[in-house]
Amino acid sequence: SQQGEEDPQALSIQEGENATMNCSYKTSINNLQWYRQNSGRGLVHLILIRSNEREKHSGRLRVTLDTSKKSSSLLITASRAADTASYFCATDAGFSGGYNKLIFGAGTRLAVHP
Amino acid sequence: DTEVTQTPKHLVMGMTNKKSLKCEQHMGHRAMYWYKQKAKKPPELMFVYSYEKLSINESVPSRFSPECPNSSLLNLHLHALQPEDSALYLCASSQAPFRGPNTEAFFGQGTRLTVV
Repeated sequence: SQQGEEDPQALSIQEGENATMNCSYKTSINNLQWYRQNSGRGLVHLILIRSNEREKHSGRLRVTLDTSKKSSSLLITASRAADTASYFCATDAGFSGGYNKLIFGAGTRLAVHP
Repeated sequence: DTEVTQTPKHLVMGMTNKKSLKCEQHMGHRAMYWYKQKAKKPPELMFVYSYEKLSINESVPSRFSPECPNSSLLNLHLHALQPEDSALYLCASSQAPFRGPNTEAFFGQGTRLTVV
């Protein structure tokens, strides 16, 4: 069951430009996480923002969260060709019985051209 | 060691075969997950194990049978699969519940399964 939508579905930019991806979700959450996936392999955790946080930074990444609009955005600044990947937001609403139930958005495929 | 190791990386099986996917982690995580991912789609949750007990089965067909023999291992037994079951199968683990609800998940590289 998919939690929400991400837009754009695909994004093509030049190296050095900024990339912004948006994520919307439907239910209340404990936190929202962003993951990166290269070429259909494993997912790598990028950043986690808690439901009581509005903005978080990690290196070239900036994430915002608006719980009133049930939306989040991921900004990658000064993009590099190596940033080419699919990016997924994942909401974590279920902390019960000792696990986290991550539900992923549709994803944005980012292509950064040299 | 922050790795989740999945074997095999690739698997081709016939519809009458029985095979197993394996997942291993040594991070002391007590929650482990199976996800299924079709091409150009997001991962979809299949099963969740917490403390070696099955906590969530997202209405997965019985031809998929999970097993958690100990806190480090997670298996997915496959039997009588259909061609539409071809996908990337991802294993993940997380530290919940020790650190509370706000923890990240660590994913393996996946097993790319093709059913012929």
